[in-house]
Amino acid sequence: AQSVTQLGSHVSVSEGALVLLRCNYSSSVPPYLFWYVQYPNQGLQLLLKYTSAATLVKGINGFEAEFKKSETSFHLTKPSAHMSDAAEYFCAVSSSGGYQKVTFGTGTKLQVIP
Amino acid sequence: DSGVTQTPKHLITATGQRVTLRCSPRSGDLSVYWYQQSLDQGLQFLIQYYNGEERAKGNILERFSAQQFPDLHSELNLSSLELGDSALYFCASSVATGLAGEGRFFGPGTRLTVL
Repeated sequence: AQSVTQLGSHVSVSEGALVLLRCNYSSSVPPYLFWYVQYPNQGLQLLLKYTSAATLVKGINGFEAEFKKSETSFHLTKPSAHMSDAAEYFCAVSSSGGYQKVTFGTGTKLQVIP
Repeated sequence: DSGVTQTPKHLITATGQRVTLRCSPRSGDLSVYWYQQSLDQGLQFLIQYYNGEERAKGNILERFSAQQFPDLHSELNLSSLELGDSALYFCASSVATGLAGEGRFFGPGTRLTVL
């Protein structure tokens, strides 16, 4: 079984401040991990993914995430928040080895305060 | 723009009715996935088709069904609609069968309101 837990359903940061969105996963086999972003009235867009190569993964729009096996975490960060980053962010996991379903977290809404 | 299209964008109907949601995957993608997103249950995987065949089932109700046609577009049929079926329905696609490292490309969704 696999699951993801996103800590904090709402996160507020000031413009220019560090963005940190937390995700912890559970998987019985080495996982593949994803971050998706959903802007209002739009579908989900893949931000970045970890597939067992480098543990620090860089994505679009200046976001990056670090896979930490010892902490079973895959937190999403961005050094400086922009107003355009306001959206809902979803962490997702799938287990390596052939076809596996993707399990999504419950999402974290990011508010950026001017 | 992900390349995945969904129609209609909005749908308002009454309880007990039947509706069909349509999805066209990205050019070249063989897998289509359907998801339901609601405030109380979050993003729920419903069903996946690969090259016309059902590949995986998630939390899909018996009142719901889907199919993928030879041109790879997919339809999600929802029948005997209930108020609780009101949600955003997303279609996503990927190149292959849903290999573990593949990302999904999501369409803009269909917002279903059941009155």
